[in-house]
Amino acid sequence: NAGVTQTPKFQVLKTGQSMTLQCAQDMNHNSMYWYRQDPGMGLRLIYYSASEGTTDKGEVPNGYNVSRLNKREFSLRLESAAPSQTSVYFCASRGQGRTQNLFFGSGTQLSVL
Amino acid sequence: GQQVMQIPQYQHVQEGEDFTTYCNSSTTLSNIQWYKQRPGGHPVFLIQLVKSGEVKKQKRLTFQFGEAKKNSSLHITATQTTDVGTYFCAATSGTYKYIFGTGTRLKVLA
Repeated sequence: NAGVTQTPKFQVLKTGQSMTLQCAQDMNHNSMYWYRQDPGMGLRLIYYSASEGTTDKGEVPNGYNVSRLNKREFSLRLESAAPSQTSVYFCASRGQGRTQNLFFGSGTQLSVL
Repeated sequence: GQQVMQIPQYQHVQEGEDFTTYCNSSTTLSNIQWYKQRPGGHPVFLIQLVKSGEVKKQKRLTFQFGEAKKNSSLHITATQTTDVGTYFCAATSGTYKYIFGTGTRLKVLA
């Protein structure tokens, strides 16, 4: 039972390159999330997927696209990376118990040069 | 959109001293969750508060939800080096969106 798995752990891109961050959860959760974390800014919601087949914008969606491939997988794509997208990216899924708290993956450290 | 403010941004304490972080919202919250992120790690859920005036304890950690459900606090008694990390509060906006505070980074000096 791995929980939430993110790949890759580290990535360096040049400005204008594209890439996809992968996320998968094995807890049979319905809702999944992508956050970015920057120093002093906390965790900011990029996109979320309330359930399979749906996606919605969060606080900072510009420059990103997402795909909810199936119930397990939720990917984040940067079509044309910019230095402002240098950040640590976390994927999370929402538990279905009484608290419905978030379970986070270990993160992807992305640098855009 | 909904905003959750958290103070202080940083706190350095001597081991054994107490620590408190505060979370404030301009709107009434349905609930609030607290998470801890160790250095280099990912956020891990600590607790959820739902009721007005609710107080919950986890060993040396005490969590409070304000009477008006617009603020919350986390208090750590007699900090230890294992308490080092960043503490976040998170509020739900609508059914599915979780908005996080900016976090308080705690450093404990031995």
